[in-house]
Amino acid sequence: EAQVTQNPRYLITVTGKKLTVTCSQNMNHEYMSWYRQDPGLGLRQIYYSMNVEVTDKGDVPEGYKVSRKEKRNFPLILESPSPNQTSLYFCASSLSLVNEQFFGPGTRLTVL
Amino acid sequence: KQEVTQIPAALSVPEGENLVLNCSFTDSAIYNLQWFRQDPGKGLTSLLLIQSSQREQTSGRLNASLDKSSGRSTLYIAASQPGDSATYLCAVSGGSARQLTFGSGTQLTVLP
Repeated sequence: EAQVTQNPRYLITVTGKKLTVTCSQNMNHEYMSWYRQDPGLGLRQIYYSMNVEVTDKGDVPEGYKVSRKEKRNFPLILESPSPNQTSLYFCASSLSLVNEQFFGPGTRLTVL
Repeated sequence: KQEVTQIPAALSVPEGENLVLNCSFTDSAIYNLQWFRQDPGKGLTSLLLIQSSQREQTSGRLNASLDKSSGRSTLYIAASQPGDSATYLCAVSGGSARQLTFGSGTQLTVLP
């Protein structure tokens, strides 16, 4: 089944403890991206990747890192999480920007 | 910077009504526009994708139109059902940045 998977789906952590949210797609997509969704602010893009080893900042990249070493994986790294990063995170992928975007199920992160 | 606006923010209709959701965007240099559905606490489900060269797309009871020159799209839902209750999001790709920009959504409630 064609899908985008994210892990973990739920995470509660404490300030400053490094964490990684994984994202994987099995559709051989070149374009991948991360979004956060917050009440009243909607969905905002954090980072995106046009292909392997090609990443760029979205609208809200501060406090986040990404890497794209393999085509199928695009992990989101929070080196030192803070409470303002408590949010619902989505990973998405597509063949390219002109193609349909597919979203993962989301990761609900709480930073205490 | 691309901005996407959705009106109304919330809509409540009785079952069986036809309804229209609106989406507008400020930068007409888009690759495509995509409509999504999001159920509470869940991920995004793609409903329709309209390429910039197209005027409309249809899927079952859903019809989406695109007027790129005026920066507008509408999602028409025919014969609404309680199961249609969800938040509907539109998103445009392209413009001045290589990303997907979302509107804030329309929360639809269809009353039995």
